[in-house]
Amino acid sequence: GENVEQHPSTLSVQEGDSAVIKCTYSDSASNYFPWYKQELGKRPQLIIDIRSNVGEKKDQRIAVTLNKTAKHFSLHITETQPEDSAVYFCAALYNQGGKLIFGQGTELSVKP
Amino acid sequence: DVKVTQSSRYLVKRTGEKVFLECVQDMDHENMFWYRQDPGLGLRLIYFSYDVKMKEKGDIPEGYSVSREKKERFSLILESASTNQTSMYLCASSFPTLQGHYEQYFGPGTRLTVT
Repeated sequence: GENVEQHPSTLSVQEGDSAVIKCTYSDSASNYFPWYKQELGKRPQLIIDIRSNVGEKKDQRIAVTLNKTAKHFSLHITETQPEDSAVYFCAALYNQGGKLIFGQGTELSVKP
Repeated sequence: DVKVTQSSRYLVKRTGEKVFLECVQDMDHENMFWYRQDPGLGLRLIYFSYDVKMKEKGDIPEGYSVSREKKERFSLILESASTNQTSMYLCASSFPTLQGHYEQYFGPGTRLTVT
């Protein structure tokens, strides 16, 4: 069935360290993988996305990698800052109508 | 700038009441979605719609129905509210870009409490 598994559920790092969040998906036909950030009390917002025709995408301190063979993708945040503290959701596209299946979320805490 | 609004930020209803949650988007998006968000369970899709008067079940449609009479408005209906429907409800809209991206724009959420 349609499923996205996300790990870890919580992650605590020191300011300046790197953080990595991993997701696996079940449908090999998925070809679009976004990441959303939800700050406390706010709505989720897209921070980076990747399509299956590329293996890696970077945007300043964040990057996403995709391994289609293994059906997993990861979010990497370098030089973490306190404002990176939030819940992060991965997702996979399950049909061309835009239906996304989301992971369970990772609560990232960056300690100053 | 895309704007997705929801009719209420907080709502308290009694068990058995019929509840309407409304969502409006102003960017002429074809796709609209209703999710519920619970701690540790992420965003679970209740229903979605590709076009006016069109709807598809998501992962947890039981106890819910939807209505899309106009392109900009997508309503979620709880026919007979129950305490296990206490949750945060998020609406979203999206459209496909030429590059095949499907960014979803979320509303602020409605925190529903059923007593």
